[in-house]
Amino acid sequence: DSGVTQTPKHLITATGQRVTLRCSPRSGDLSVYWYQQSLDQGLQFLIQYYNGEERAKGNILERFSAQQFPDLHSELNLSSLELGDSALYFCASSLSPGQDSGNTIYFGEGSWLTVV
Amino acid sequence: AQSVAQPEDQVNVAEGNPLTVKCTYSVSGNPYLFWYVQYPNRGLQFLLKYITGDNLVKGSYGFEAEFNKSQTSFHLKKPSALVSDSALYFCAVRDLPSSGYSTLTFGKGTMLLVSP
Repeated sequence: DSGVTQTPKHLITATGQRVTLRCSPRSGDLSVYWYQQSLDQGLQFLIQYYNGEERAKGNILERFSAQQFPDLHSELNLSSLELGDSALYFCASSLSPGQDSGNTIYFGEGSWLTVV
Repeated sequence: AQSVAQPEDQVNVAEGNPLTVKCTYSVSGNPYLFWYVQYPNRGLQFLLKYITGDNLVKGSYGFEAEFNKSQTSFHLKKPSALVSDSALYFCAVRDLPSSGYSTLTFGKGTMLLVSP
């Protein structure tokens, strides 16, 4: 158990709908990351937050957004869903993402999203 | 940008034999390298990392990895494979976006199959 908690574990929804994935980081970790894993794209970095502020952005679609709350939990919002958005979405956390940080990034078990 | 390559989609090994899962990297500056494992229907689990120091890094479940700067490689190894080691293995490198906050860039993964 990494200590990163993600809900829901599985989600099935229809095209055009909106979903919210939730993540609680490890105790004491200030940085939260979101990754998408799909068969064709592999593991893709989406976005990172540190202590409530967005710090890095990867291949995140405009239909997707995220935020980190004062209690450090994070939510990933996916809207206008398409079939191609079906994937495993991982949340991860680390103590600090500082410039020379070799801090380990710990991953949750993921949220399986199926768009039908 | 930093990148890693995992040249093998799949590695097959018999139980009790040594195993190697290959990873090469391309970075500017000092490389921070990681290995993660994903068991079926589970999240990514951290195995080990190289930040600095000894070129042979020891990690969880008896795995180790050898950092080779001249060959820009970071191969994962285990002296004696177990059937329970069968999983998907990811090599990753710390990436530094312009924000200065590091994230991880992953290889495409290598499926390890250990036969009884």
